[in-house]
Amino acid sequence: ETGVTQSPTHLIKTRGQQVTLRCSSQSGHNTVSWYQQALGQGPQFIFQYYREEENGRGNFPPRFSGLQFPNYSSELNVNALELDDSALYLCASSRGTSSYNEQFFGPGTRLTVL
Amino acid sequence: QKEVEQNSGPLSVPEGAIASLNCTYSDRGSQSFFWYRQYSGKSPELIMFIYSNGDKEDGRFTAQLNKASQYVSLLIRDSQPSDSATYLCAVNTPDTGNQFYFGTGTSLTVIP
Repeated sequence: ETGVTQSPTHLIKTRGQQVTLRCSSQSGHNTVSWYQQALGQGPQFIFQYYREEENGRGNFPPRFSGLQFPNYSSELNVNALELDDSALYLCASSRGTSSYNEQFFGPGTRLTVL
Repeated sequence: QKEVEQNSGPLSVPEGAIASLNCTYSDRGSQSFFWYRQYSGKSPELIMFIYSNGDKEDGRFTAQLNKASQYVSLLIRDSQPSDSATYLCAVNTPDTGNQFYFGTGTSLTVIP
């Protein structure tokens, strides 16, 4: 167990809807990164939050947005869901933003868009 | 575009053998390299990380890094059926902070 938790575990939505996914970071970690993992692929970086500010973003459209709270927990919001958004969404926490910091993943949220 | 390449496999080895997993990366400025294990339906679990050229050993696992060749590998000695999983290589570059670039993973099956 990494101490990183995510909710919900599974989610089913229809195209066009909006979804919010939640992540609690490991104790002592102030940085949360979100990844999307499609079936058979490696995780793809969505964005990272450090001390409540976005600290880097991958190649994802603006309908993917996020927040980080003072306790370092984080939310991922996706608007106008598309079928291709169906994936495992992973959050990872780390102790800072150095490229040498390890990232520890939560169990993930499996999103299905119908 | 930063590329991380892995042979998707599947790689099959008999129990007790050495499994060798390979990863190449395109960005010569990459500084840190991580290996994750992912069981089917689960999230990635960190196995090892390596920053310097050469070998790093942790129990049955050895990570090897050759920055000149832009190559990192993971050796699993005395492979066990419980090692059957997908192994993901992740690369980090300082110009993108703590953003990890992942390969597509190599599926390993250890045959009893």
